[in-house]
Amino acid sequence: KQEVTQIPAALSVPEGENLVLNCSFTDSAIYNLQWFRQDPGKGLTSLLLIQSSQREQTSGRLNASLDKSSGRSTLYIAASQPGDSATYLCAASSGGYQKVTFGTGTKLQVIP
Amino acid sequence: DAGVTQSPTHLIKTRGQQVTLRCSPISGHKSVSWYQQVLGQGPQFIFQYYEKEERGRGNFPDRFSARQFPNYSSELNVNALLLGDSALYLCASSLLSASSYNEQFFGPGTRLTVL
Repeated sequence: KQEVTQIPAALSVPEGENLVLNCSFTDSAIYNLQWFRQDPGKGLTSLLLIQSSQREQTSGRLNASLDKSSGRSTLYIAASQPGDSATYLCAASSGGYQKVTFGTGTKLQVIP
Repeated sequence: DAGVTQSPTHLIKTRGQQVTLRCSPISGHKSVSWYQQVLGQGPQFIFQYYEKEERGRGNFPDRFSARQFPNYSSELNVNALLLGDSALYLCASSLLSASSYNEQFFGPGTRLTVL
């Protein structure tokens, strides 16, 4: 059974700081790993998807890495902005029909 | 192109009642998945449907059921509602093909409150 853990549960940083969010998973036989952003009471916005054969993906100020052997993924946010404040969730896709297992999220607050 | 749509946005029910939630996937997507997200937690997988057949089921009681229609839209039904069913219910669609790598696209969710 896949289990996904995110550390820390909450993070507060001053504007402009670079930061790293961590995601770990127990079953390395994943199909892909996806990072999402969720604003309070809203649905999920896809940020980055890393295929199992890839090591990293980049989009603007975001960079996500994947190390299947160690069961870890990181989301790097450069030059953080107050608009980045949200909960960030990682999700691992595995199994015959790619069942998706989510972590509990990291709540990020960027202070102006 | 329209994204994933869900209806209704909010719903208030009392214990013991039944509820039906609806989801329309992105055009061309044949896979729909349902998730339950209680406050402060990550989404929990309920069902996945692909080509109108159930392909996966999470650890939820039989009070939860779903179906997918020929146009790939989907309904989630919950019977005999309990207070603990209060949550944000999320629908996600994907192509579920080798080239899409199962990237999930989520709707805005339906907020269900059970009193």
